[in-house]
Amino acid sequence: EDKVVQSPLSLVVHEGDTVTLNCSYEVTNFRSLLWYKQEKKAPTFLFMLTSSGIEKKSGRLSSILDKKELFSILNITATQTGDSAVYLCAVRPYGQNFVFGPGTRLSVLP
Amino acid sequence: GAVVSQHPSWVICKSGTSVKIECRSLDFQATTMFWYRQFPKQSLMLMATSNEGSKATYEQGVEKDKFLINHASLTLSTLTVTSAHPEDSSFYICSANGGQEARGYEKLFFGSGTQLSVL
Repeated sequence: EDKVVQSPLSLVVHEGDTVTLNCSYEVTNFRSLLWYKQEKKAPTFLFMLTSSGIEKKSGRLSSILDKKELFSILNITATQTGDSAVYLCAVRPYGQNFVFGPGTRLSVLP
Repeated sequence: GAVVSQHPSWVICKSGTSVKIECRSLDFQATTMFWYRQFPKQSLMLMATSNEGSKATYEQGVEKDKFLINHASLTLSTLTVTSAHPEDSSFYICSANGGQEARGYEKLFFGSGTQLSVL
């Protein structure tokens, strides 16, 4: 059965800290891995990763995929209170629907 | 990016009534849409895959007669919660692949969600 695991499940940090969120997966016929940020309502897209070792970057957020070890990390540097959210990792196998992880709830304190 | 509109944002209804939730792709055609349910502090749970012009594919444990899905056009899918009960109260979210490759076919774009409260 396809599975996506995220750690930690929750995290509390102070503004300015750097955080690393982890996502590991077990799927057959891996196609892509996506990161989403969910605040109060629907998830918003952050990154899509398909190749190992290529870092994707957007402002203070960056992500990288390791297809050999079957994991991805999402880094957030110089965190701000607006980064507080649930970060979801989703994996899409070929020919199948997305499989979502449980999410990491990040709380950034002022 | 592609835009998915979901309506209503929230609904309160009495037990026993039916509630319809609409999900529209505004700037692309979505042959496939997905319906998720999310309980507080939990991740998204896929309920069903909605295919334009054909019957929806339901995940194990999801009652087909309880959660009616209709995908009559390439831009609209609806989820009807029939004879709603308090245990159906939840956050429901729809999503769609972003149409053609140029619009991000690989990505899921989400509607804004519907908070259903059944009294």
